[in-house]
Amino acid sequence: EAGVAQSPRYKIIEKRQSVAFWCNPISGHATLYWYQQILGQGPKLLIQFQNNGVVDDSQLPKDRFSAERLKGVDSTLKIQPAKLEDSAVYLCASSSDSFQPQHFGDGTRLSIL
Amino acid sequence: QKEVEQNSGPLSVPEGAIASLNCTYSDRVSQSFFWYRQYSGKSPELIMSIYSNGDKEDGRFTAQLNKASQYVSLLIRDSQPSDSATYLCALVLNRDDKIIFGKGTRLHILP
Repeated sequence: EAGVAQSPRYKIIEKRQSVAFWCNPISGHATLYWYQQILGQGPKLLIQFQNNGVVDDSQLPKDRFSAERLKGVDSTLKIQPAKLEDSAVYLCASSSDSFQPQHFGDGTRLSIL
Repeated sequence: QKEVEQNSGPLSVPEGAIASLNCTYSDRVSQSFFWYRQYSGKSPELIMSIYSNGDKEDGRFTAQLNKASQYVSLLIRDSQPSDSATYLCALVLNRDDKIIFGKGTRLHILP
């Protein structure tokens, strides 16, 4: 079974630029999550999709972050414009449903200069 | 009180001993509980899931859930240096299917 795929693995941009991350979940997984993890902290949920609908985006900074999951499969997370405090690892995870364990991708390490 | 609390550590345990990691939570309406292990620079990987009160064993790992006291723990027997990592506790709230992670406990196994 192929795992959760994420790209890119690393990204360096300057503040006020935009950036996008891509995630392909495990085949058949209806639930997809995007997390932000700052060094030394646990993952912080940004947005949770059930198929292509949003279940929870209460912690997504909507003035600069956006996410979509077209056709209930792949997902993209965008930041525009980026701020210094956005430097973090962005993790994508998927599960068969919200009560089942999540499987994480390798993450994207974002550095803002 | 934070929704999920873990001692940040580091917790130092001699090799071969039992490591005990604890997690308390504030919401009574939770039904799914998970322990993830995260090595430095890597993404979290699932160690154990537990859904009902009592103990669940898998190899050297045992998860313990006590819903009345609102805690879940992870025991690692015969600790190995490769067990050195950050251990994240997570739970899913019944009321809104939302998952919440603790900040993690850093475990260091002393050779």
